[in-house]
Amino acid sequence: DTGVSQDPRHKITKRGQNVTFRCDPISEHNRLYWYRQTLGQGPEFLTYFQNEAQLEKSRLLSDRFSAERPKGSFSTLEIQRTEQGDSAMYLCASSLVGINSPLHFGNGTRLTVT
Amino acid sequence: AQSVAQPEDQVNVAEGNPLTVKCTYSVSGNPYLFWYVQYPNRGLQFLLKYITGDNLVKGSYGFEAEFNKSQTSFHLKKPSALVSDSALYFCAVRDIRVGGSYIPTFGRGTSLIVHP
Repeated sequence: DTGVSQDPRHKITKRGQNVTFRCDPISEHNRLYWYRQTLGQGPEFLTYFQNEAQLEKSRLLSDRFSAERPKGSFSTLEIQRTEQGDSAMYLCASSLVGINSPLHFGNGTRLTVT
Repeated sequence: AQSVAQPEDQVNVAEGNPLTVKCTYSVSGNPYLFWYVQYPNRGLQFLLKYITGDNLVKGSYGFEAEFNKSQTSFHLKKPSALVSDSALYFCAVRDIRVGGSYIPTFGRGTSLIVHP
């Protein structure tokens, strides 16, 4: 169990640019989640996958956001035409399928849009 | 809809004293409840969970939490605080009713500061 890893740790980009983040979950975990966290707030759900299927998306996830999990392994989160309001910590988590299974989080990618 | 409230933005306690971090929840069905801790510039780490059974659950680093169904609360406790316990603490809930969203909803977090 090497834990959930996210890359990059930090990303600074100019408004209007596209960015992509990667998440590698714990290998035996079927579920993968993306959350967004801003200062002083708890994590807000964005989307989740079970294996390669994207099962639920939050209304927070605008059309500029897209997530994929090809082959049910790593996942990518892309933000197109970034806006300053996208500045946040993007957290990835994985878990087993069981509803009582806790989430295991990565250390996050901090995005700053200038 | 499910929700979690953490009524205190910050809790201050002296090292060696007991600590309590409060959490209340709202779900349509029965809840699964979780506590996580977050250190600076890190992701959240799982501390403990309540699924069913004993209302007092024990977790990592000496933490425990008490489930109270009538008060819809799940307060985090520790008998003797350490300076190293200083961190952000998040309560989370899952609604386990059929047809409910199994996505965990998190509270806003409580900053615990333990003074030497």
